[in-house]
Amino acid sequence: AQSVAQPEDQVNVAEGNPLTVKCTYSVSGNPYLFWYVQYPNRGLQFLLKYITGDNLVKGSYGFEAEFNKSQTSFHLKKPSALVSDSALYFCAVSGLNSGYSTLTFGKGTMLLVSP
Amino acid sequence: ETGVTQTPRHLVMGMTNKKSLKCEQHLGHNAMYWYKQSAKKPLELMFVYSLEERVENNSVPSRFSPECPNSSHLFLHLHTLQPEDSALYLCASSPSLRGGSTDTQYFGPGTRLTVL
Repeated sequence: AQSVAQPEDQVNVAEGNPLTVKCTYSVSGNPYLFWYVQYPNRGLQFLLKYITGDNLVKGSYGFEAEFNKSQTSFHLKKPSALVSDSALYFCAVSGLNSGYSTLTFGKGTMLLVSP
Repeated sequence: ETGVTQTPRHLVMGMTNKKSLKCEQHLGHNAMYWYKQSAKKPLELMFVYSLEERVENNSVPSRFSPECPNSSHLFLHLHTLQPEDSALYLCASSPSLRGGSTDTQYFGPGTRLTVL
């Protein structure tokens, strides 16, 4: 069975500073990893995914994520945080379940960017 | 978010009511999903649908009944719900059900359900 851990319930960062939201995963087979963002009273928006290839994946809104196979991690990063980045961030891993693909989500990390 | 729409956005119902949630996707996808998002809990996958099949989730109570009349529409029929069913219900779609684990799921804005 696959699983995802987001060890931080909340991350606080000042605007303009770099941010990191941590994610570790467990999966048998190849890891296919995703990041989503959820703004208040909204659905999940896809940010980026890792399938294969370059360990640094670039996504929407200036976000990127670094895949590290030896540490089984897929941390989300941004060089310079904006107040508008404040939201709930979910890491997810995809795997096959009885022949169809499913996403297993972490519990989410709230990012708060202060002015 | 306009690729997947959900109605209503908010719903308040009593425990004896019957209501339905609607989801429509405009992405040409062949697989659709219902998720439940409760406070401080991971997203729970409730149902998976494609043109060819519906995947049952035996842990979901029978008071939730999905319907998928075509590849663009998905309903969740609700009856005799409990207060603990109050949550945000999210619909998602992806290109295919068995196309592989690399497909991206795209989510709708959700329906905030409150059961009194």
